Amino acid sequence: DGGITQSPKYLFRKEGQNVTLSCEQNLNHDAMYWYRQDPGQGLRLIYYSQIVNDFQKGDIAEGYSVSREKKESFPLTVTSAQKNPTAFYLCASSPSQGGPGYGYTFGSGTRLTVV
Amino acid sequence: QQQVKQSPQSLIVQKGGISIINCAYENTAFDYFPWYQQFPGKGPALLIAIRPDVSEKKEGRFTISFNKSAKQFSLHIMDSQPGDSATYFCAASMWGYDMRFGAGTRLTVKP
Repeated sequence: DGGITQSPKYLFRKEGQNVTLSCEQNLNHDAMYWYRQDPGQGLRLIYYSQIVNDFQKGDIAEGYSVSREKKESFPLTVTSAQKNPTAFYLCASSPSQGGPGYGYTFGSGTRLTVV
Repeated sequence: QQQVKQSPQSLIVQKGGISIINCAYENTAFDYFPWYQQFPGKGPALLIAIRPDVSEKKEGRFTISFNKSAKQFSLHIMDSQPGDSATYFCAASMWGYDMRFGAGTRLTVKP
Protein backbone atom coordinates (compact mmCIF):
# COMPACT_ATOMS: atom_id res chain seq x y z
CA ASP A 1 0.00 0.00 0.00
CA GLY A 2 1.21 3.47 -0.81
CA GLY A 3 1.70 5.91 1.99
CA ILE A 4 4.01 7.85 4.24
CA THR A 5 6.02 6.18 6.97
CA GLN A 6 7.32 8.19 9.89
CA SER A 7 9.71 6.76 12.43
CA PRO A 8 10.09 6.46 15.27
CA LYS A 9 6.60 6.87 16.68
CA TYR A 10 8.00 8.13 20.01
CA LEU A 11 11.34 9.84 20.54
CA PHE A 12 12.98 11.18 23.65
CA ARG A 13 15.70 13.81 23.49
CA LYS A 14 18.08 14.95 26.16
CA GLU A 15 18.98 18.60 26.51
CA GLY A 16 21.64 19.63 23.98
CA GLN A 17 21.13 16.65 21.67
CA ASN A 18 20.29 16.66 18.00
CA VAL A 19 17.72 14.11 16.89
CA THR A 20 16.55 13.09 13.42
CA LEU A 21 13.01 12.16 12.48
CA SER A 22 12.55 9.93 9.48
CA CYS A 23 9.94 10.37 6.74
CA GLU A 24 9.65 8.05 3.74
CA GLN A 25 6.96 8.02 1.05
CA ASN A 26 6.21 5.59 -1.76
CA LEU A 27 3.51 7.68 -3.40
CA ASN A 28 5.85 9.13 -6.03
CA HIS A 29 4.94 12.59 -4.77
CA ASP A 30 7.16 15.49 -5.69
CA ALA A 31 6.54 17.73 -2.69
CA MET A 32 7.12 16.92 0.95
CA TYR A 33 6.47 18.91 4.13
CA TRP A 34 7.18 18.93 7.84
CA TYR A 35 4.63 20.32 10.28
CA ARG A 36 4.71 20.77 14.01
CA GLN A 37 1.50 20.30 15.98
CA ASP A 38 0.97 21.77 19.44
CA PRO A 39 -2.31 21.66 21.36
CA GLY A 40 -4.65 24.44 20.27
CA GLN A 41 -2.28 25.79 17.61
CA GLY A 42 -3.08 23.69 14.61
CA LEU A 43 -0.33 22.73 12.20
CA ARG A 44 2.64 25.00 11.66
CA LEU A 45 4.93 24.56 8.66
CA ILE A 46 8.60 23.94 9.45
CA TYR A 47 10.14 23.14 6.04
CA TYR A 48 8.98 22.01 2.65
CA SER A 49 10.61 20.63 -0.47
CA GLN A 50 9.28 20.74 -4.01
CA ILE A 51 12.04 18.74 -5.69
CA VAL A 52 15.11 16.73 -4.80
CA ASN A 53 18.05 18.74 -3.45
CA ASP A 54 15.87 21.80 -2.86
CA PHE A 55 13.93 22.90 0.21
CA GLN A 56 12.44 26.06 1.67
CA LYS A 57 11.90 27.39 5.18
CA GLY A 58 8.39 27.51 6.53
CA ASP A 59 7.02 29.68 9.31
CA ILE A 60 8.97 28.13 12.19
CA ALA A 61 12.25 26.82 10.69
CA GLU A 62 14.56 28.09 13.42
CA GLY A 63 16.25 25.22 15.26
CA TYR A 64 15.41 22.68 12.55
CA SER A 65 17.20 21.38 9.46
CA VAL A 66 16.22 19.09 6.58
CA SER A 67 17.67 17.37 3.55
CA ARG A 68 16.13 15.99 0.36
CA GLU A 69 18.68 13.72 -1.28
CA LYS A 70 16.07 11.29 -2.58
CA LYS A 71 12.53 11.85 -3.82
CA GLU A 72 11.21 9.33 -1.31
CA SER A 73 12.91 10.70 1.81
CA PHE A 74 12.72 13.97 3.74
CA PRO A 75 14.35 13.65 7.18
CA LEU A 76 14.00 16.39 9.79
CA THR A 77 16.72 17.13 12.33
CA VAL A 78 15.72 18.88 15.52
CA THR A 79 18.86 20.64 16.70
CA SER A 80 19.88 21.77 20.16
CA ALA A 81 19.06 25.31 19.02
CA GLN A 82 15.35 24.47 19.15
CA LYS A 83 14.48 25.56 22.67
CA ASN A 84 11.04 24.00 22.93
CA PRO A 85 11.06 20.87 20.78
CA THR A 86 8.44 18.85 22.64
CA ALA A 87 5.63 18.43 20.12
CA PHE A 88 3.96 16.10 17.64
CA TYR A 89 5.72 16.20 14.26
CA LEU A 90 3.90 15.39 11.05
CA CYS A 91 5.34 14.71 7.63
CA ALA A 92 3.18 15.14 4.55
CA SER A 93 3.47 14.86 0.79
CA SER A 94 1.55 16.03 -2.25
CA PRO A 95 1.72 15.26 -5.98
CA SER A 96 3.37 18.57 -6.92
CA GLN A 97 3.49 22.20 -6.06
CA GLY A 98 1.32 24.29 -8.27
CA GLY A 99 -0.58 21.32 -9.58
CA PRO A 100 -4.17 20.26 -8.97
CA GLY A 101 -5.05 20.47 -5.29
CA TYR A 102 -5.37 16.81 -4.39
CA GLY A 103 -4.57 17.60 -0.79
CA TYR A 104 -1.78 16.42 1.39
CA THR A 105 -1.18 12.86 2.57
CA PHE A 106 0.10 12.75 6.13
CA GLY A 107 2.17 10.23 8.02
CA SER A 108 1.18 8.97 11.47
CA GLY A 109 3.51 11.36 13.23
CA THR A 110 6.41 11.29 15.68
CA ARG A 111 5.93 12.47 19.23
CA LEU A 112 9.13 14.08 20.48
CA THR A 113 9.66 14.66 24.19
CA VAL A 114 12.56 16.42 25.86
CA VAL A 115 13.71 14.66 29.02
CA GLN B 1 -0.28 35.53 10.96
CA GLN B 2 -3.34 33.29 11.09
CA GLN B 3 -4.80 33.17 7.59
CA VAL B 4 -7.49 30.63 8.40
CA LYS B 5 -9.61 31.08 11.51
CA GLN B 6 -11.58 28.11 12.78
CA SER B 7 -14.37 27.88 15.34
CA PRO B 8 -15.41 26.51 17.72
CA GLN B 9 -12.33 25.15 19.46
CA SER B 10 -14.37 22.28 20.85
CA LEU B 11 -17.82 20.91 20.17
CA ILE B 12 -20.03 18.38 21.93
CA VAL B 13 -22.94 16.88 20.00
CA GLN B 14 -25.42 14.15 20.81
CA LYS B 15 -25.51 11.05 18.65
CA GLY B 16 -27.71 11.69 15.63
CA GLY B 17 -27.28 15.44 15.80
CA ILE B 18 -25.65 17.83 13.35
CA SER B 19 -22.08 19.01 13.92
CA ILE B 20 -21.13 22.33 12.37
CA ILE B 21 -17.60 23.72 12.21
CA ASN B 22 -16.85 27.09 10.68
CA CYS B 23 -13.80 28.60 9.03
CA ALA B 24 -12.96 32.00 7.63
CA TYR B 25 -10.05 32.93 5.41
CA GLU B 26 -8.36 36.17 4.42
CA ASN B 27 -6.47 35.52 1.20
CA THR B 28 -8.80 35.72 -1.81
CA ALA B 29 -6.19 33.89 -3.88
CA PHE B 30 -6.96 30.64 -2.05
CA ASP B 31 -8.70 28.23 -4.41
CA TYR B 32 -8.71 24.89 -2.64
CA PHE B 33 -10.38 24.28 0.72
CA PRO B 34 -9.97 20.82 2.28
CA TRP B 35 -11.10 19.44 5.61
CA TYR B 36 -8.98 16.95 7.51
CA GLN B 37 -9.99 14.50 10.25
CA GLN B 38 -7.46 13.49 12.89
CA PHE B 39 -7.79 10.76 15.49
CA PRO B 40 -5.55 10.81 18.61
CA GLY B 41 -1.99 9.75 17.88
CA LYS B 42 -2.59 9.67 14.12
CA GLY B 43 -1.89 12.00 11.25
CA PRO B 44 -4.70 14.02 9.66
CA ALA B 45 -6.58 12.37 6.80
CA LEU B 46 -8.28 14.21 3.96
CA LEU B 47 -12.04 14.09 4.53
CA ILE B 48 -13.57 16.30 1.86
CA ALA B 49 -12.51 19.32 -0.20
CA ILE B 50 -14.13 22.06 -2.25
CA ARG B 51 -13.14 24.66 -4.83
CA PRO B 52 -14.66 28.18 -4.83
CA ASP B 53 -16.59 27.66 -8.05
CA VAL B 54 -19.22 25.63 -6.18
CA SER B 55 -21.23 26.56 -3.09
CA GLU B 56 -21.72 23.10 -1.65
CA LYS B 57 -20.20 19.63 -1.83
CA LYS B 58 -21.62 16.55 -0.19
CA GLU B 59 -20.00 13.19 0.44
CA GLY B 60 -22.12 10.85 2.50
CA ARG B 61 -22.87 12.48 5.85
CA PHE B 62 -20.27 15.21 5.31
CA THR B 63 -21.08 18.49 3.54
CA ILE B 64 -18.97 21.56 2.86
CA SER B 65 -20.81 24.85 2.43
CA PHE B 66 -18.83 27.64 0.81
CA ASN B 67 -19.59 31.38 0.79
CA LYS B 68 -17.08 33.11 -1.47
CA SER B 69 -18.32 36.65 -0.84
CA ALA B 70 -18.07 36.23 2.91
CA LYS B 71 -14.79 34.28 2.65
CA GLN B 72 -16.22 31.57 4.85
CA PHE B 73 -16.73 27.83 4.60
CA SER B 74 -18.13 25.25 6.96
CA LEU B 75 -18.27 21.51 7.55
CA HIS B 76 -21.58 19.90 8.42
CA ILE B 77 -21.68 16.36 9.77
CA MET B 78 -25.18 14.95 9.59
CA ASP B 79 -26.38 12.16 11.88
CA SER B 80 -23.20 12.48 13.95
CA GLN B 81 -21.87 9.22 15.38
CA PRO B 82 -19.49 8.46 18.28
CA GLY B 83 -16.97 7.26 15.68
CA ASP B 84 -16.88 10.79 14.30
CA SER B 85 -15.26 11.98 17.53
CA ALA B 86 -11.95 13.45 16.37
CA THR B 87 -10.20 16.72 15.72
CA TYR B 88 -11.16 18.44 12.49
CA PHE B 89 -8.97 20.93 10.63
CA CYS B 90 -9.99 23.22 7.84
CA ALA B 91 -7.33 24.42 5.43
CA ALA B 92 -6.87 26.66 2.44
CA SER B 93 -4.29 26.78 -0.32
CA MET B 94 -3.58 27.93 -3.83
CA TRP B 95 -3.64 24.75 -5.91
CA GLY B 96 -2.12 22.77 -3.06
CA TYR B 97 0.70 25.24 -2.55
CA ASP B 98 1.50 26.61 0.90
CA MET B 99 -1.52 25.11 2.60
CA ARG B 100 -2.68 27.02 5.70
CA PHE B 101 -4.49 25.20 8.47
CA GLY B 102 -7.03 26.32 11.03
CA ALA B 103 -6.35 25.69 14.71
CA GLY B 104 -8.63 22.65 14.82
CA THR B 105 -11.94 21.69 16.44
CA ARG B 106 -12.18 18.81 18.86
CA LEU B 107 -15.52 17.10 18.25
CA THR B 108 -17.06 14.79 20.82
CA VAL B 109 -20.20 12.88 19.89
CA LYS B 110 -21.98 11.53 22.96
CA PRO B 111 -23.87 8.25 22.64
